[in-house]
Amino acid sequence: DVKVTQSSRYLVKRTGEKVFLECVQDMDHENMFWYRQDPGLGLRLIYFSYDVKMKEKGDIPEGYSVSREKKERFSLILESASTNQTSMYLCASSSVNRGWNSPLHFGNGTRLTVT
Amino acid sequence: ILNVEQSPQSLHVQEGDSTNFTCSFPSSNFYALHWYRWETAKSPEALFVMTLNGDEKKKGRISATLNTKEGYSYLYIKGSQPEDSATYLCAFMRVWNSGGYQKVTFGTGTKLQVIP
Repeated sequence: DVKVTQSSRYLVKRTGEKVFLECVQDMDHENMFWYRQDPGLGLRLIYFSYDVKMKEKGDIPEGYSVSREKKERFSLILESASTNQTSMYLCASSSVNRGWNSPLHFGNGTRLTVT
Repeated sequence: ILNVEQSPQSLHVQEGDSTNFTCSFPSSNFYALHWYRWETAKSPEALFVMTLNGDEKKKGRISATLNTKEGYSYLYIKGSQPEDSATYLCAFMRVWNSGGYQKVTFGTGTKLQVIP
């Protein structure tokens, strides 16, 4: 079974702090994704990565950056946290080798509160 | 931003009722359509991946159909049970930058509550 692990289930940070959300997958997947989930807005794509050191902006990249130095790890960085970044963050991964239409495997999510 | 729309937003049904929801997506640059089930306090899990126009998939009491020409997919649940209570998400996949990279856009979901 694929395991996608997000480092924290709950986080509380102050406005202006630099925040790192970590995600690790154990199935050698090429693709990794960061989404945020807000009531009424569904899952919105922040960034995705299709290979080590490669990244593409999703639909709402403003205020975020990402890092993928190793294949198994994809980090989401909030350079200067703001209250409108309070949300549930979900990491996902998928395989290219099983076909471009292979499903996403999700972590359990990190609920971030910025005060 | 692509529009992937789901309806209804929420639904309450009695145990034993059958129900269905709709996912609408752009009919151009289609690559695949996914359905996920997201139960409270868990992570979303894939139900179906559909790629061909006219595809029909089935898993137990849950089935889905796909119409890529008109841009919609239906998810059906036959004889709903309380354990079917969850949010059902569809996700549209298109080829990105001609490089074959996945870009997956989710709908806002349909929240199903099955009343015993």
